[in-house]
Amino acid sequence: EPEVTQTPSHQVTQMGQEVILRCVPISNHLYFYWYRQILGQKVEFLVSFYNNEISEKSEIFDDQFSVERPDGSNFTLKIRSTKLEDSAMYFCASSLKYGYTFGSGTRLTVV
Amino acid sequence: RKEVEQDPGPFNVPEGATVAFNCTYSNSASQSFFWYRQDCRKEPKLLMSVYSSGNEDGRFTAQLNRASQYISLLIRDSKLSDSATYLCVPDGSGNTGKLIFGQGTTLQVKP
Repeated sequence: EPEVTQTPSHQVTQMGQEVILRCVPISNHLYFYWYRQILGQKVEFLVSFYNNEISEKSEIFDDQFSVERPDGSNFTLKIRSTKLEDSAMYFCASSLKYGYTFGSGTRLTVV
Repeated sequence: RKEVEQDPGPFNVPEGATVAFNCTYSNSASQSFFWYRQDCRKEPKLLMSVYSSGNEDGRFTAQLNRASQYISLLIRDSKLSDSATYLCVPDGSGNTGKLIFGQGTTLQVKP
């Protein structure tokens, strides 16, 4: 069964550092997403990406965040200057239209 | 009003029991509805899509009432492996595919 792959599974970074979270969506999918889940809280939408551009972003997705699909297979989320409150599980997802497939997530810990 | 409201539980039931989860959503423009399950510290996995006429998939039955903005999930003959958090997920309307996750209802099935 096709899957969405995320790397790394766990990243620890110092406050103020830049991090890049990587995702390889399912190859024939057209829509790509990032969500995050702070421990004990609900899954929150960050951004959707279609046709090489952002189609929607949430209030969480401020100027510190950016996404890129650099080579037609990878889909990355960059956080420029991490804050303690960015500590969360970050999930990448892809879909053809409905019914996402999520990756297994990257646990980001900001210290 | 919260975008998605679910009883957080936990619901503690014996194996073989029937259990029902309810959910209300606030965005009347939502078009697509899903139930996801999430195991502890794992990614959400699509359990089933919810259709207007109601639909069944094995032991799972989903119902949608658009007029009341209410979604339900019924699990019959509960198994130990059904223990998880069940997430009620309407879409965010628009064409971006954004999903709105509820806090989830936790189910513990005991032997």
